[in-house]
Amino acid sequence: DVKVTQSSRYLVKRTGEKVFLECVQDMDHENMFWYRQDPGLGLRLIYFSYDVKMKEKGDIPEGYSVSREKKERFSLILESASTNQTSMYLCASSPSTPLAEQYFGPGTRLTVT
Amino acid sequence: DQQVKQNSPSLSVQEGRISILNCDYTNSMFDYFLWYKKYPAEGPTFLISISSIKDKNEDGRFTVFLNKSAKHLSLHIVPSQPGDSAVYFCAASVSSGYSTLTFGKGTMLLVSP
Repeated sequence: DVKVTQSSRYLVKRTGEKVFLECVQDMDHENMFWYRQDPGLGLRLIYFSYDVKMKEKGDIPEGYSVSREKKERFSLILESASTNQTSMYLCASSPSTPLAEQYFGPGTRLTVT
Repeated sequence: DQQVKQNSPSLSVQEGRISILNCDYTNSMFDYFLWYKKYPAEGPTFLISISSIKDKNEDGRFTVFLNKSAKHLSLHIVPSQPGDSAVYFCAASVSSGYSTLTFGKGTMLLVSP
């Protein structure tokens, strides 16, 4: 069974704080993704990575950065958290084979006050 | 510009009846389509997919239909069960790319006993 784990289920941070969200997958997948989910907006892709140390911007990368130093781990960084980054953050992974589905973690509910 | 559209935010169905969830897309490069199901406070889970070379794919109670000329797909659930109550996301990708998914905004399905 594929397992994608996220470091926290719930997180509360203050405006201006630096925030790290960690994601780990145990299936040796090449691809990893960070999304945010907001009511009425669905899932939007923030960043993805197709290999160690490689990253690509998604649809809404502003205010975020990522790090992938090891194949199994993909971190999302909010350099200076703002209230409009309050959201559900979802990590996913997939193999690099064509037509592969993505496997999602349970999500981190981040509240920025 | 929204490339994957789910125009019905919610759908209510009685147990035992058919649920039909619809999805439209605008990008003609999309050639692989997936449906994900999401319960509150959990990550999305893969349900069923279809490649553009097919017009139908069936898995138990779930069937996805693809109409390429209309750029439309639908998910049929027969018979619907209360445990099917969840948010359903339609997603699309270009199989020759990085396997990124573009999601619709989701449809909340409520199946009442």
